[in-house]
Amino acid sequence: EAEVAQSPRYKITEKSQAVAFWCDPISGHATLYWYRQILGQGPELLVQFQDESVVDDSQLPKDRFSAERLKGVDSTLKIQPAELGDSAMYLCASSLEGGLAGSDTQYFGPGTRLTVL
Amino acid sequence: AQKVTQAQTEISVVEKEDVTLDCVYETRDTTYYLFWYKQPPSGELVFLIRRNSFDEQNEISGRYSWNFQKSTSSFNFTITASQVVDSAVYFCALSEVSGGYQKVTFGTGTKLQVIP
Repeated sequence: EAEVAQSPRYKITEKSQAVAFWCDPISGHATLYWYRQILGQGPELLVQFQDESVVDDSQLPKDRFSAERLKGVDSTLKIQPAELGDSAMYLCASSLEGGLAGSDTQYFGPGTRLTVL
Repeated sequence: AQKVTQAQTEISVVEKEDVTLDCVYETRDTTYYLFWYKQPPSGELVFLIRRNSFDEQNEISGRYSWNFQKSTSSFNFTITASQVVDSAVYFCALSEVSGGYQKVTFGTGTKLQVIP
């Protein structure tokens, strides 16, 4: 069964350092999402790609976060510099088309748990 | 704006008991989709079910069943004869189209603990 791959699974860093997370969606999925999940809360969308284009980054803290999906396949999310409040689970998900009808199912990767010291 | 409320933060049941997880949503759209996901301690969200706003039939899958009531904007999830492996955080989510693309809003989750 096809899966969304993410790495690393765990990352510990010190504040002011740079960190990067990688995601490889299910093959053929046009839409890729990055979510942040703070402990005890639901996932919150950071950025959404349709192929290689960003379609929603309204909740992405652009002063320190960046995301790219250069060839419309895998994606990288970067934080520079990391702050204590960035400690969270970072989840990547993909869906087939992005759902013009809102009907697509999102499939999630295992996540990267970030701890900023 | 769309909103999903899962009022139950944590639930504990003894194995073999039935348990219902509540989900209430808010939307102005007439076409939308509702989802349930399971998040075990490993962290990955696992898709359980998708339901569209025009289909109010209840659904049963093994020990799982879902009750969708448009009149009360609720999409509740029942686990029958709970098992320890059901222990996880369960998320309800609402999907709509915004700006031409799918936008999904998750609830805050309900942590279910099944005690052996």
